[in-house]
Amino acid sequence: SAVISQKPSRDICQRGTSLTIQCQVDSQVTMMFWYRQQPGQSLTLIATANQGSEATYESGFVIDKFPISRPNLTFSTLTVSNMSPEDSSIYLCSVVVGSTTDTQYFGPGTRLTVL
Amino acid sequence: QKEVEQDPGPLSVPEGAIVSLNCTYSNSAFQYFMWYRQYSRKGPELLMYTYSSGNKEDGRFTAQVDKSSKYISLFIRDSQPSDSATYLCAMSAVTGGGNKLTFGTGTQLKVEL
Repeated sequence: SAVISQKPSRDICQRGTSLTIQCQVDSQVTMMFWYRQQPGQSLTLIATANQGSEATYESGFVIDKFPISRPNLTFSTLTVSNMSPEDSSIYLCSVVVGSTTDTQYFGPGTRLTVL
Repeated sequence: QKEVEQDPGPLSVPEGAIVSLNCTYSNSAFQYFMWYRQYSRKGPELLMYTYSSGNKEDGRFTAQVDKSSKYISLFIRDSQPSDSATYLCAMSAVTGGGNKLTFGTGTQLKVEL
């Protein structure tokens, strides 16, 4: 497994501002993912972030809104840009440990409220 | 229709009961099946991982996969108050684009003393 931390754990932000969420892993991992978890809904994959390449975004998510950095094998950031109340959600990073991409381990999440 | 359906609950059971949590899915390409447990204000924690059909047991937890019915289950024996959490099923298919996980919405479980 892996120990994953996220910063901040929670934040309350104003409409129109941006927030950068950090994800730190205690070991080197190739694949990292960013998810959104809204109340009553399933975890939704935002993008896959592999070190050394551009992030791959899922349908409905764009780089201008959710820019991602992956400077090394233990760290990634997700920025939620020009926020609106609809962006209020829990944002989670996950990493793959093992030989398949199915064994994903999650960070504790960042609870974002946009006013 | 969602790819993965999961009863959101809440499900309330007395301590010691056997709990059955279920998911149905529509994508026959799914090969890998997982159960995650998520405590309030925490990230999901991998509980069980199963490949293809069959059963897998780990302590008080048993995962079952019936691919013919597109139905997976998680059984919890001798449930404890510490099992109170939201349980998420997840699954993935073997694809060239990487094995992305598709999650259910989660079932909220409360085990009462």
